[in-house]
Amino acid sequence: GQQLNQSPQSMFIQEGEDVSMNCTSSSIFNTWLWYKQDPGEGPVLLIALYKAGELTSNGRLTAQFGITRKDSFLNISASIPSDVGIYFCAGQLSDGTSYGKLTFGQGTILTVHP
Amino acid sequence: EAQVTQNPRYLITVTGKKLTVTCSQNMNHEYMSWYRQDPGLGLRQIYYSMNVEVTDKGDVPEGYKVSRKEKRNFPLILESPSPNQTSLYFCASSPTSGRAPWAYNEQFFGPGTRLTVL
Repeated sequence: GQQLNQSPQSMFIQEGEDVSMNCTSSSIFNTWLWYKQDPGEGPVLLIALYKAGELTSNGRLTAQFGITRKDSFLNISASIPSDVGIYFCAGQLSDGTSYGKLTFGQGTILTVHP
Repeated sequence: EAQVTQNPRYLITVTGKKLTVTCSQNMNHEYMSWYRQDPGLGLRQIYYSMNVEVTDKGDVPEGYKVSRKEKRNFPLILESPSPNQTSLYFCASSPTSGRAPWAYNEQFFGPGTRLTVL
């Protein structure tokens, strides 16, 4: 099935640094979502993007829906230790079918050193 | 408390022994979905359900069955488990009010079920 290419696979940063991660697809997506998974928990939605070019912020997080509708990025500014976890992008293809079908990226493992 | 519950949380079984992982939500959500999470592969959708008696395949449905007889419950059935189904499984639910496509309303995930098939 369709997969999203998410990079980087992992990041080791110092507290206070900014973080950037992105997802790309060979197909056009209708919607991009960004989730965070804490250890031992299920994913939690951070940001949802519905229109090409849309730039949305949620506190220290900023995400953008690429103009081509084939990519999205997530930025975290001034990282703190509780940002540690796995970040996933997710989206739905714009083929007009399967409205309930959601595709996830492989995840970015973020480690923040105090 | 609004939540998605899964049972069991941990399960070790043997090849070929039928098992069911239950999922229940108390938020009156129409949409429910099952995912498996494997290292390096992220989450992959197994099956989803837009409402009672309506189910559809996700990206990796082979070897799994689901049913949606009641709105609150969405069990995942492995008729003949195999070692390649060893994984971490998540159930999720979301409302279908608001904008379509409905999958993009915030999905609430359960705590996960770690399954090992020997």
